[in-house]
This record gives sequence, structure tokens and C-alpha cells, in this order.
Amino acid sequence: GAGVSQSPSNKVTEKGKDVELRCDPISGHTALYWYRQSLGQGLEFLIYFQGNSAPDKSGLPSDRFSAERTGGSVSTLTIQRTQQEDSAVYLCASSFHGQGKEMIAKNIQYFGAGTRLSVL
Amino acid sequence: RKEVEQDPGPFNVPEGATVAFNCTYSNSASQSFFWYRQDCRKEPKLLMSVYSSGNEDGRFTAQLNRASQYISLLIRDSKLSDSATYLCVVNELRGYNKLIFGAGTRLAVHP
Repeated sequence: GAGVSQSPSNKVTEKGKDVELRCDPISGHTALYWYRQSLGQGLEFLIYFQGNSAPDKSGLPSDRFSAERTGGSVSTLTIQRTQQEDSAVYLCASSFHGQGKEMIAKNIQYFGAGTRLSVL
Repeated sequence: RKEVEQDPGPFNVPEGATVAFNCTYSNSASQSFFWYRQDCRKEPKLLMSVYSSGNEDGRFTAQLNRASQYISLLIRDSKLSDSATYLCVVNELRGYNKLIFGAGTRLAVHP
């Protein structure tokens, strides 16, 4: 598609269950990012992918959170044993990735519409 | 101290008003700067990049002061459709484009 696609758009789950959130980036974008936005808060960085590898996963809040990317395209964010504090909107973004000055010039991140996760 | 700080607002202004938002950032090595717009329950979208010389896009003017680590956004002749949250964003370029988002400033334009 033309933009970043995320699914599901909404997810309601019970505390303790595992959930998987999917992100399909813009075709040709090698960089992919996951963020979390709690109600009334700014975006919190979770993890960055370049291709299939994740050079920066420093934002993952606990070992219950993991993410993978396959084929340099689709990414899945998995939350195990969900807790109520995991309730938030999970946003995915993608961009080109250049080198040096080109990196800065191509650094516009395009966001998906997000997955709204509610843990009961 | 937060890496990117903004006044949360809300700014309630009448149509036609001029409104200014400010933002400060803590990392002096930050490389590039942006304003994103986020409508209620929607994803953030790029409004404009911010350059050292200042830049204008229609009714919107962005300014950057590297010495003071300060970014501003000016909106002239506000429209009802400008009502949104405006996110100040800083690229810290840590080997990749690591964007740090402010919590946003909410603008409500009323008739």
C-alpha cells in the first residue's frame, strides 16, 4: 500500500494474555520504528530496525516486550503476559536510511494509524 | 529534565489569531528538528522541518536557535482546522535517525 499499515487497529485483551501487533512499512523503507503513546503523553521510543536487525532496542520497557522483522519488511511487536500499564497506542513508523548528510535528508518518518491496546 | 520540553497548553484562540509555540531541547548535538501535527486519535504527521535560517510554509513559520537550544512555531491567521496537538521533534542522529518527541502542545481554535 501507499502508507504504513498497522493491524489490528484496536485490541482488547485480558491481563496475562500475549498479544501480537503487526506493522507493514512503506515499500522500500529500510528503517522501521516502534513507539508507544500513553493517553495524553508524548511518543516513547521502543525499538529501531534497520533491515531485519535491531541495532537499538533500548526503549523496550521489559523482557515481556520483543519485536522481529522479516524480509526487511513486516514487523511484529509481541507483548507477553500483558499488564494493565501496557494499555496504550502502539505506533509504527518507517523511513529511508541514507548515510551521512543523506541520512539526515531522508529522515522523515511516516507513521501508521497505530494499534490501540486495552488490557483489562 | 526531559530531552524535549513543550508547554502542554491548551492554547484556546479565536479564528484569525496568531499563536506561537515554544520548545527547548537538552542535547546540544541534535542535528535536525521538526514540527509534527497530531489530530485527536490519529497518527503524527510531519508539518514542517526547522532550519537554522528559519523557514516559512504559508501561515506557518518555524525558527531554530541552536545557541539557546530553542525551537518555535508561529501560526498566523488561525483556522478551525488548525486545532490539533503540535509535537516538537529533535533528531539526535545516534548512528541512525533517532527522533525524540516532545509531549506536544494542544491548540484549540474556536469560531
